[in-house]
Amino acid sequence: AQKITQTQPGMFVQEKEAVTLDCTYDTSDPSYGLFWYKQPSSGEMIFLIYQGSYDQQNATEGRYSLNFQKARKSANLVISASQLGDSAMYFCAMRGSSSGNTPLVFGKGTRLSVIA
Amino acid sequence: NAGVTQTPKFRVLKTGQSMTLLCAQDMNHEYMYWYRQDPGMGLRLIHYSVGEGTTAKGEVPDGYNVSRLKKQNFLLGLESAAPSQTSVYFCASSLRDRTGDTQYFGPGTRLTVL
Repeated sequence: AQKITQTQPGMFVQEKEAVTLDCTYDTSDPSYGLFWYKQPSSGEMIFLIYQGSYDQQNATEGRYSLNFQKARKSANLVISASQLGDSAMYFCAMRGSSSGNTPLVFGKGTRLSVIA
Repeated sequence: NAGVTQTPKFRVLKTGQSMTLLCAQDMNHEYMYWYRQDPGMGLRLIHYSVGEGTTAKGEVPDGYNVSRLKKQNFLLGLESAAPSQTSVYFCASSLRDRTGDTQYFGPGTRLTVL
């Protein structure tokens, strides 16, 4: 079974500072994908970044980067130069490849608050 | 290109009433999903579909039924609503089911069952 753990229910960060949101995962699949989604107060789920288990380099998308440590089974999201608009819930998710049709498994989320 | 849309956005039901939530996508995606989101629980998969005419159970399927008569639509039905089904419901779709295929979400439906 696959499992995602996000141990930080809430985080605060000063505007313009960098912040790391933790995510650890558990899977027996040799091939898997890791995703981060943002959910602002308006409620929609916004895809941020993806990391494949065989990717050699850490994924980056603008101010978002994924600190992927395969041996530790962690996939932390790093947001650089935080902005007030980054205040939201952030969800880590994964899917494996051991069997077909494997939907995403989500963590419980981390609420990030950016302070001016 | 609207992406994934959901109808309605809000609904209040009385216990025992029935309703259908509609999800539509215009991205020609094969796979569609229904999740529910409850406080402190993250998103949990209710049902999903791997193509037109197919459906499968997810993590929390009890009390729900689904249908995928057309590729672009995925319906979620509650035959006899219960207060435990008060939640925010999200529909999502993805092109395929490979590990790297991103799921794109609709805006959500907030359902309250009294």
